Amino acid sequence: NAGVTQTPKFQVLKTGQSMTLQCAQDMNHEYMSWYRQDPGMGLRLIHYSVGAGITDQGEVPNGYNVSRSTTEDFPLRLLSAAPSQTSVYFCASSSFTGSNQPQHFGDGTRLSIL
Amino acid sequence: QQQVKQSPQSLIVQKGGISIINCAYENTAFDYFPWYQQFPGKGPALLIAIRPDVSEKKEGRFTISFNKSAKQFSLHIMDSQPGDSATYFCAANPMGSNYQLIWGAGTKLIIKP
Repeated sequence: NAGVTQTPKFQVLKTGQSMTLQCAQDMNHEYMSWYRQDPGMGLRLIHYSVGAGITDQGEVPNGYNVSRSTTEDFPLRLLSAAPSQTSVYFCASSSFTGSNQPQHFGDGTRLSIL
Repeated sequence: QQQVKQSPQSLIVQKGGISIINCAYENTAFDYFPWYQQFPGKGPALLIAIRPDVSEKKEGRFTISFNKSAKQFSLHIMDSQPGDSATYFCAANPMGSNYQLIWGAGTKLIIKP
């Protein structure tokens, strides 16, 4: 059981470049989300989705786009990378079945913007 | 913006000692308080969680203490081991939401052998 898979694990970009961070889960979870993790700031929610075709903004959405065409996949797009987007990005998923289901995280994508 | 304040930012404990991490929240409309553990190079994983109608929850060496009147909750790790060295995050779930956790800033715990 793979759980939540994120690719790539590491990426270096130049300012202004675009790229897509991939996230896939095999647990049939309805809810998926993207966080960024920066030192001393914990986890900040970028975008989330409660099901295929439904997305919404989190705390820090600027500079990022998402889409959810299938239950399994939730890619995060950086349209024009900026140095402020250097961070570790985590994708997470959880089920709506029952209350307070745990969030399952991938192992992250470490992104550096030069 | 609702906030969860976590302290200390980093903590060094001798093997066999008790590690204590504290969190405080500023809004009463939370109904679930999980703790996540993150090892280097990995994503966070749920460690233990508590609801506000319970004052304490214990799972093995890990205990959450919850003080509703003080709006505080803490994680205690008894008999701390080097394998417990990790970053720990507290979080709070807003009432009526099953997924938009409010996260603390994290505590980096180092257990010295």
